[in-house]
Amino acid sequence: NAGVTQTPKFRILKIGQSMTLQCTQDMNHNYMYWYRQDPGMGLKLIYYSVGAGITDKGEVPNGYNVSRSTTEDFPLRLELAAPSQTSVYFCASSYSGTEYEQYFGPGTRLTVT
Amino acid sequence: GENVEQHPSTLSVQEGDSAVIKCTYSDSASNYFPWYKQELGKGPQLIIDIRSNVGEKKDQRIAVTLNKTAKHFSLHITETQPEDSAVYFCAATPSGGSYIPTFGRGTSLIVHP
Repeated sequence: NAGVTQTPKFRILKIGQSMTLQCTQDMNHNYMYWYRQDPGMGLKLIYYSVGAGITDKGEVPNGYNVSRSTTEDFPLRLELAAPSQTSVYFCASSYSGTEYEQYFGPGTRLTVT
Repeated sequence: GENVEQHPSTLSVQEGDSAVIKCTYSDSASNYFPWYKQELGKGPQLIIDIRSNVGEKKDQRIAVTLNKTAKHFSLHITETQPEDSAVYFCAATPSGGSYIPTFGRGTSLIVHP
């Protein structure tokens, strides 16, 4: 199993541009998550999904959108990029929500200038 | 919602010393407490977890203790080695609702050879 894969690894965006961060898992996990990690601030939940067709907002959803059309894929869309979205983004998945570990992807480092 | 406090933010030890990282949580409904290790440039990875019906769990050089009454749990690493250098995150997961974990801000552990 490849686990959780994310593309791209690095990206530089100009203010106002849009992009999609891709996330795929091959473990048939129901739950998927998007986090952003800023220095000294831990992991902030952006959006999560408990299954195909179901998504919900996390702690910091503004400026982002997600979709979950399949069990495997959970893309994160950034519209009108802003410098405040400069961060490292992690996708994660788990079998279910409670008492199951999360498996994290390698991350995408995004810079908005 | 749940609030997780993690201390210290940085911990520097000599190789062979012990390291202790402490977390407190606010929601008495939380019942699953994982610890993740994040090496430089990688996504977090589960190293140990504990459930609310257990007070202590050990896995070789690492152990976790849980005090549900006081709402705090700790990670103990004995005989530290340079490869233990990483950022460590604690998390608390509620037993109901969305089952989404809340993470602490992380502890940067530096083990000096």
